[in-house]
Amino acid sequence: DIVMTQTPLSSPVTLGQPASISCRSSQSLVHSDGNTYLSWLQQRPGQPPRLLMYKISNRFSGVPDRFSGSGAGTDFTLKISRVEAEDVGVYYCMQLTQFPWTFGQGTKVEIK
Amino acid sequence: EVQLVESGGGLVQPGGSLRLSCAASGFNLRSHWMNWVRQAPGKGLEWVANIEHDTSETQYVDSVKGRFTISRDNAKNSVYLQMNSLRAEDTAVYYCARVVPGALDSWGQGTLVTVSS
Repeated sequence: DIVMTQTPLSSPVTLGQPASISCRSSQSLVHSDGNTYLSWLQQRPGQPPRLLMYKISNRFSGVPDRFSGSGAGTDFTLKISRVEAEDVGVYYCMQLTQFPWTFGQGTKVEIK
Repeated sequence: EVQLVESGGGLVQPGGSLRLSCAASGFNLRSHWMNWVRQAPGKGLEWVANIEHDTSETQYVDSVKGRFTISRDNAKNSVYLQMNSLRAEDTAVYYCARVVPGALDSWGQGTLVTVSS
């Protein structure tokens, strides 16, 4: 199974400041079709998860442009350029390259 | 508008069975793979199962293989998760999610399954 490791597990951030979350996979996420199926999800308190980014850097419909994704191979990053109060929650990376699909442990973003 | 509504959760004794349902609306279910994902209380997300479109090929996480069965009825716009031989560690909120290339783009609100005597 592909193990997804996120750092940090907790990220206290000042409003308006940037935040960055790293996600590392135990093996390359490049699929045989040439795509890299790495996505990012946000889970606000008491809510189901919500898709933010797919295939590393594609922002999902309705996601603010302060969110961006980057990376390749086994190392990926989600960045929030200026954290807003509504960004509080837990962020998960997820790989859909190889079954079983797997999630990172989650990173909790909170306001200082 | 895409909607996924889970039902069928509840309290069940260890060793018991439960069948979860996911009612889909607002899109053509036949065109999508569908997943179940679970979240134990206070814990992270765990992918459980996938079912492909019409061929109904399925995949599972190892911890549920042989105990859980994902199925679908495209005519009824529904996806199901039959859970047998339930264990305490299966206690979780179970989410139904729609698959698009490279992501799970739509999620239901979830249904809580509690396995306890």
